[in-house]
Amino acid sequence: EVQMVESGGGLIQPGGSLRLSCAVSGFVVSHNYIIWVRQAPGKGLEWVSMIYSDGTTYYADSVKGRFIMSRDISNNIVFLQMDSLRLDDTALYYCARELYGEGIDSWGQGTLVTVSS
Amino acid sequence: EVVLTQSPATLSLSPGERATLSCRASQSVRFLSWYQKKPGQAPRLLIYDTSNRATGVPPRFSGSDSGTDFTLTISSLEPEDFAVYYCQQRSKWPPLTFGGGTTVEIK
Repeated sequence: EVQMVESGGGLIQPGGSLRLSCAVSGFVVSHNYIIWVRQAPGKGLEWVSMIYSDGTTYYADSVKGRFIMSRDISNNIVFLQMDSLRLDDTALYYCARELYGEGIDSWGQGTLVTVSS
Repeated sequence: EVVLTQSPATLSLSPGERATLSCRASQSVRFLSWYQKKPGQAPRLLIYDTSNRATGVPPRFSGSDSGTDFTLTISSLEPEDFAVYYCQQRSKWPPLTFGGGTTVEIK
């Protein structure tokens, strides 16, 4: 059974840092495209970042230079290091598996990040 | 960047009625997916590659396209279908983009 479990969210002041984790079971992260998607309160879904099977990473313009996505292959975990957090980064952050032309088929339940002074 | 514009923003219908949701792309895309989102739940993949139902999705959900206009149709609304629906494209990226969503609410 595929499971993706996020953790690491919380309340943080503007300018602070958080590291989100996504523990995966049921498939190998290094063989798949893994993404982070967020949903701000009352807003729609927004893609944040992606890591390819070869380790290449891509970022939305809104987080480029501030967020870094990485993975721990031995433990099958994906991370999102978030630095210089801003008020508009407040959102529920989901990790998910993206199957290129076959959609985003597996999602975690999300971890809430609240940036507030 | 491919912009996906969903319409209408809100659809007010009764159970048993047909729902037709639109997603217009700003340029041609190859892989268009649809998701259902309920409060407190993760998004659920319904349709991928325009018209293919994901595993376990009932046949009342169908997808189609006409050029850059994509449609999600729910043939007869069940009570559990009232939710927010998003389209998403991956073919021209980054960025991977989502539409703004359509809320299907009970009339």
